[in-house]
Amino acid sequence: EGQVVESGGDLVQPGRSLRLSCTASGFRFGEYALGWVRQAPGKGLEWIAFIRGKNSGGTTEYAASVKGRFTISRDDPKNIAYLQMNSLKIEDTAVYYCARDFWGGGYSFDYWGQGTLVTVSS
Amino acid sequence: DIQMTQSPSSVSASVGDRVTISCRASQIITNWLAWYQQKPGEAPKLLVHSISTLQTGVPSRFSGSGSGTDFTLTINSLQPEDFATYYCQQANSFPITFGQGTRLDIK
Repeated sequence: EGQVVESGGDLVQPGRSLRLSCTASGFRFGEYALGWVRQAPGKGLEWIAFIRGKNSGGTTEYAASVKGRFTISRDDPKNIAYLQMNSLKIEDTAVYYCARDFWGGGYSFDYWGQGTLVTVSS
Repeated sequence: DIQMTQSPSSVSASVGDRVTISCRASQIITNWLAWYQQKPGEAPKLLVHSISTLQTGVPSRFSGSGSGTDFTLTINSLQPEDFATYYCQQANSFPITFGQGTRLDIK
């Protein structure tokens, strides 16, 4: 069965950068789109970034709250997706989940990682 | 952007009860509406996609329905493991948006 595992979360100061990784296994990584969803402490789910699979050109989408600051990318031979986060703000503090786009369900997500915590604080 | 509004925000119920959670979209959604279950400290779990299709392995006491802008998640005969927070998500267009969540507590 497929899975995704996030890593890279840390405590960082406002204005600094951080890169998260999402390592996948158990499925043909390059054929699937992936997304990042975050959850601030005690809050709901917020989608922030999406990257299509190679057959769809690997194009990207972003939420307005992170557009211009965050970049999603993928390295298909390594089965890894990344979320580069620049100019971090206190309000970016959250658990960040990587999730696989589910074929046949629109842009819904079937495999989720356990999440990685990003804390932005001075 | 498509706004998703869930009701109620929280509900208390007992084992064996039937619970209905509603989700309203600010625009018509064709077919791509999903429901997730999240327990404390865990990642969300996909329960239903395409409005009414149960994800593999999800118990049949869960069901999804609706069309247009109004959708419902129903849980029949609540089990102890069903007490969690539930989110709807429009999977129709970007930006992807979630409802604010419905917390289901034990009465």
